[in-house]
Amino acid sequence: VQLVESGGGLVQSGGSLRLSCVASGFTLSSYWMTWVRRAPGKGLEWVANIKEDGREKYYVDSVKGRFTISRDNAKNSLFLQMSSLRVEDTAVYYCARGGSISGYNLYWGQGTLVTVSS
Amino acid sequence: QSVLTQPPSASGTPGQRVTISCSGSSSNIGSNTVNWYQQFPGTAPKLLIHSNSQRPSGVPDRFSGSKSGTSASLAISGLQSEDEADYYCATWDDSLNGWFFGGGTRLTVL
Repeated sequence: VQLVESGGGLVQSGGSLRLSCVASGFTLSSYWMTWVRRAPGKGLEWVANIKEDGREKYYVDSVKGRFTISRDNAKNSLFLQMSSLRVEDTAVYYCARGGSISGYNLYWGQGTLVTVSS
Repeated sequence: QSVLTQPPSASGTPGQRVTISCSGSSSNIGSNTVNWYQQFPGTAPKLLIHSNSQRPSGVPDRFSGSKSGTSASLAISGLQSEDEADYYCATWDDSLNGWFFGGGTRLTVL
């Protein structure tokens, strides 16, 4: 099982970025998927998760209306479209397999750094 | 205020047993299972315990988890220097409709 994130970088406040996570070694369509972030000097924060078929999505309050989680099971890919970025969104973003209500995140990507400048 | 409360720090000497607590409420820990993650600086989190007390394959049995009411605990026995890391509890909250991590506990091996 492997998860590889990409798409991070430096962006100005108010800008947009699209993170991608390519999955291999398992059937993406069989699992909920999750994005988690860790800001510098802070702890882990769940960002969003999405059901196997993409029909259920949940977000932390601080990103609602600004971030959109999506997936393309045919391309083994998970996405996080981030807009109206704020300085406080600066973090390493991880994708992880799992995330249903009674589930857990067994596999994680290596993370991609998003830096939002003022 | 975090939905899940953990002590910011914990410490112990090699060989000792340490416990890390995670306090929540009826809408999160009281209603759902708890997972525990370990994270070293600059690396991805690692699942240590899932479903309150289950260890994934490869996790040493020195690590154990428990849950009672609206609180959960992670115990580490036979403490080793390589256990120095940040530890997080996590669970779903039925009222807030989201996953929540505790604030994290930094474990120091003296």
